[in-house]
Order: sequence, then structure tokens, then C-alpha cells
Amino acid sequence: GENVEQHPSTLSVQEGDSAVIKCTYSDSASNYFPWYKQELGKGPQLIIDIRSNVGEKKDQRIAVTLNKTAKHFSLHITETQPEDSAVYFCAASTVGFRANTGNQFYFGTGTSLTVIP
Amino acid sequence: SQTIHQWPATLVQPVGSPLSLECTVEGTSNPNLYWYRQAAGRGLQLLFYSVGIGQISSEVPQNLSASRPQDRQFILSSKKLLLSDSGFYLCAGALLASNEQFFGPGTRLTVL
Repeated sequence: GENVEQHPSTLSVQEGDSAVIKCTYSDSASNYFPWYKQELGKGPQLIIDIRSNVGEKKDQRIAVTLNKTAKHFSLHITETQPEDSAVYFCAASTVGFRANTGNQFYFGTGTSLTVIP
Repeated sequence: SQTIHQWPATLVQPVGSPLSLECTVEGTSNPNLYWYRQAAGRGLQLLFYSVGIGQISSEVPQNLSASRPQDRQFILSSKKLLLSDSGFYLCAGALLASNEQFFGPGTRLTVL
């Protein structure tokens, strides 16, 4: 099955600096890679995703890059703000309905990001 | 937009008592549904997923069970809770066409 590894487990940056979180995956069939932000005591929220036919995607201060050959993808947050402090999860999945098995999501272990004012 | 509703938000139960957590989906039909458990605020462990009414797949053998009596209703149950069942339980849904997964607010379960 798929194995997703995420690094670093904790990350502290000064406000205004950039933060980068990296994930690797093992299954070349995975073609959908979402990133989630989870604030304390709340459910994860999808913040950005990328599909395997795209190498990079950007949404304001957040960007995600994908290297299919190396099987890794990264989250980039620029001009960090204190409200970016949270736990971030990457995940890998396969788009497409499977009649018998469904679409499973394989999650990284999370990165606790602290933005220091 | 799609929304997952979960209740209760917090629950304290004695060891050996039964459990029923409910999840309902709003804004979409025929989603894939998932139950996850999260310990200590990190790491999502997939417990069950469902591709349709009455169809449940279990990922981790344990004393929990799940049921999907309606398209947009997913229930997590236990007949007798263990201390190790404590954790943060998250229900999620995924759209078949886009595979986008969206989460509910979670239930914090403490077994004493």
C-alpha cells in the first residue's frame, strides 16, 4: 500500500519568513495530493491540492509543487503570519471511483508550524 | 458547498459503556465516507470507509464498528468502550468526481 512520509515534524519561523514542508510517497498510482491545515481542537481544512498532471499550483501565499519522478511534493507558505500557526498534513490518494474499495487517503504524520511574531 | 456535521463535540464515557457517534453530510450525494481517529492531535488513523449505503470496509481490527444506514449518514459504534478508544474522532467525506475530501469538526472522546 501507499506510504507517505512528512518532514519536518515541527517547524518554527519568524513572521514574514517562508515555510516549506515536504512529503514523499511510495505508490506511483497516487495522483491526487491534498494539504490540510488543522487548528487546535478542530477538523482538518483543505487548503490546497495538486493533481499529477500539474507540477505546481499557487493560491496567494500558498503553493504546492509536485515531482512525480522523485515521488515528492512540498507545501510552500510565503510571508508567514501568526495565524498560519497550525498542524499541516499532506496526503496522497488516487482519483477515480473504485466500485469495491473506494478512494483511500494516506496521510503524513503532520508538521506543527509555529510562526513567531 | 459540502459540510460534515458531527455530534457530540465532546464526550466522556466510562470503560465498558456503549458508544454511538453520528455524522451527516450536507451538500452532496453519494460521497465516500470515512471515520478517522487522531491521537494527541497528530496522525490520522483510518478506521472505516464506505462507498455506499450498507457498504463498510474496516482498516483496523478493534472493538469499533461502523454503519451507513442512509446515503448521507455514517455512524461509529462500540458495544463496550476501552481506555484505548480515547481520542479525537473525525468523519470525512470525499466527492467521487474530484476526490476532494472534507472533514467534520470532530468529536473528542475520553474514556475513563
